Amino acid sequence: TQLLEQSPQFLSIQEGENLTVYCNSSSVFSSLQWYRQEPGEGPVLLVTVVTGGEVKKLKRLTFQFGDARKDSSLHITAAQPGDTGLYLCAGPTLAGGTSYGKLTFGQGTILTVHP
Amino acid sequence: NAGVTQTPKFRILKIGQSMTLQCTQDMNHNYMYWYRQDPGMGLKLIYYSVGAGITDKGEVPNGYNVSRSTTEDFPLRLELAAPSQTSVYFCASIDQREVRKTQYFGPGTRLLVL
Repeated sequence: TQLLEQSPQFLSIQEGENLTVYCNSSSVFSSLQWYRQEPGEGPVLLVTVVTGGEVKKLKRLTFQFGDARKDSSLHITAAQPGDTGLYLCAGPTLAGGTSYGKLTFGQGTILTVHP
Repeated sequence: NAGVTQTPKFRILKIGQSMTLQCTQDMNHNYMYWYRQDPGMGLKLIYYSVGAGITDKGEVPNGYNVSRSTTEDFPLRLELAAPSQTSVYFCASIDQREVRKTQYFGPGTRLLVL
């Protein structure tokens, strides 16, 4: 069974601080995705990482895929109140060699950025 | 394009009642999914479909049924509601031709079973 574990589960910080969210697994994933979810809405894709060691930047957000493709991290620089939300990592669920687009999600990290 | 739409937004059910959660997408996606999201538990896959007439179970299918008669619609049926089915339900779809397989989610249906 593929599992994705995120840490920390909760993060409460002040505006301007930096933070890192981790997504770890004992399984190798062909790719990992990061989603952001705001209250009352569905998750929205932020990024997909597919190559071991890959680093992607999205404004103040930096995403990294581990060399062994078993882990990923999300780093936010100078957090702002607008970054508040639930951050989810997800990877393809493999069954018989194909995922059919199915995803296994981590349990999420709830980020609150205080002004 | 409206994307993925879900109805209702919120519903309260009594134990033993049944209901259908509606999901429609206007992006001509063949692959569609139903997830449930419990507090602190991430999203878990209930059922999925790779095209009209083709459905299969996900991780937590017990107590639910689905059908897929058209490309656009993928309703989720609860036959005998139980308190354990209190959750937020999300429908999603992907363009299977897309390399990165972005899942497009609806806004969710919040269900409370009392």
